[in-house]
Amino acid sequence: DGGITQSPKYLFRKEGQNVTLSCEQNLNHDAMYWYRQDPGQGLRLIYYSQIVNDFQKGDIAEGYSVSREKKESFPLTVTSAQKNPTAFYLCASNPVSGTDDQPQHFGDGTRLSIL
Amino acid sequence: LAKTTQPISMDSYEGQEVNITCSHNNIATNDYITWYQQFPSQGPRFIIQGYKTKVTNEVASLFIPADRKSSTLSLPRVSLSDTAVYYCLVGFRRFSGGYNKLIFGAGTRLAVHP
Repeated sequence: DGGITQSPKYLFRKEGQNVTLSCEQNLNHDAMYWYRQDPGQGLRLIYYSQIVNDFQKGDIAEGYSVSREKKESFPLTVTSAQKNPTAFYLCASNPVSGTDDQPQHFGDGTRLSIL
Repeated sequence: LAKTTQPISMDSYEGQEVNITCSHNNIATNDYITWYQQFPSQGPRFIIQGYKTKVTNEVASLFIPADRKSSTLSLPRVSLSDTAVYYCLVGFRRFSGGYNKLIFGAGTRLAVHP
């Protein structure tokens, strides 16, 4: 089945530690996104990437880093500089089209908590 | 950026039609209107998308008036499994064929009762 796989589903981080969240898609989508969701709120964009080896900051990029070495993979690292990392992290992707907007497809998220 | 406003919560009963209205006063010419559904601890799931007039698919209809300043998601004959948060979004492309920026609000919590 085609889709977006996020792992792990639950992740715990110690103070001062960097952690990396995985996002893999086999939909052959060009664009990939990372969002953060806090309880009772909508999603906020952290980073996005349209093509391999290129990515851009979203609205809340501070304390996060990403890479896009392969089309199908867009890992997110939550660094120790992110002072409030406890949240639900969602990865999304969509094809790049010259005509119609293509809706974003989401993974099932990783819930990150601080020990 | 076009922000959206939608009710915080709604209640309905099984078998009823549910209409959720969203306002987006600052929608721009190239913006599309998209609706997502989200269950707890899951990623949002795409429901429907439209630009103007009416769009219908197998799960919902989307009504967009001529001025496009609002839109209404219609869910026919809801069931208990439709209990979820529904997000109305206005998305735009920064440039043709490229990045699709979505602005998520807090969404509408729909509770369907037996």
